[in-house]
Amino acid sequence: GAVVSQHPSRVICKSGTSVKIECRSLDFQATTMFWYRQFPKQSLMLMATSNEGSKATYEQGVEKDKFLINHASLTLSTLTVTSAHPEDSSFYICSARDGKETQYFGPGTRLLVL
Amino acid sequence: EDKVVQSPLSLVVHEGDTVTLNCSYEVTNFRSLLWYKQEKKAPTFLFMLTSSGIEKKSGRLSSILDKKELFSILNITATQTGDSAVYLCAVDLLWGKFQFGAGTQVVVTP
Repeated sequence: GAVVSQHPSRVICKSGTSVKIECRSLDFQATTMFWYRQFPKQSLMLMATSNEGSKATYEQGVEKDKFLINHASLTLSTLTVTSAHPEDSSFYICSARDGKETQYFGPGTRLLVL
Repeated sequence: EDKVVQSPLSLVVHEGDTVTLNCSYEVTNFRSLLWYKQEKKAPTFLFMLTSSGIEKKSGRLSSILDKKELFSILNITATQTGDSAVYLCAVDLLWGKFQFGAGTQVVVTP
């Protein structure tokens, strides 16, 4: 199956700093990537849809100025959590859609904000 | 409001048992229904279902969709401890936007 990577896999940062998470589709081109957040023992919640070359579409309740998304190429999307606070601590997962419209998930990034 | 409901929320079975997981949905736009297995990290893809009544199989796992009654089931036969995971059901609403269910946690004991 298709491979999606995320970097870093784990990050610990101080409150007030910004954190960038990269999502790459390794063996296919993805015009659309998705960013999810998962809190402990809860399901995945879609944060935003990232389209290559255009602005991301954010779900209701997700602050676009806090969660900056850039989809610079057909294989790379980045999520930057700006001025992170402890309540932003979560598991962030990206997914990428291939030409057959199946979504493949990255391994996730665990963010801990102290 | 789009809803995807999975049941049961959790179950514990012995190795060798068969489990059936349910996923019902109520959405405005339906393109497909997908099943994922999530262990410690991100979900891994199991099945994508688009048509009613056509069973998809992969080893001991199988799944079927009923678009009239708006549900899908995932069966796991001859369960093994490696099947222990959270199984997620998601509906592809439109343009790849997924609505996930809360998941069913399956624990298989030796």
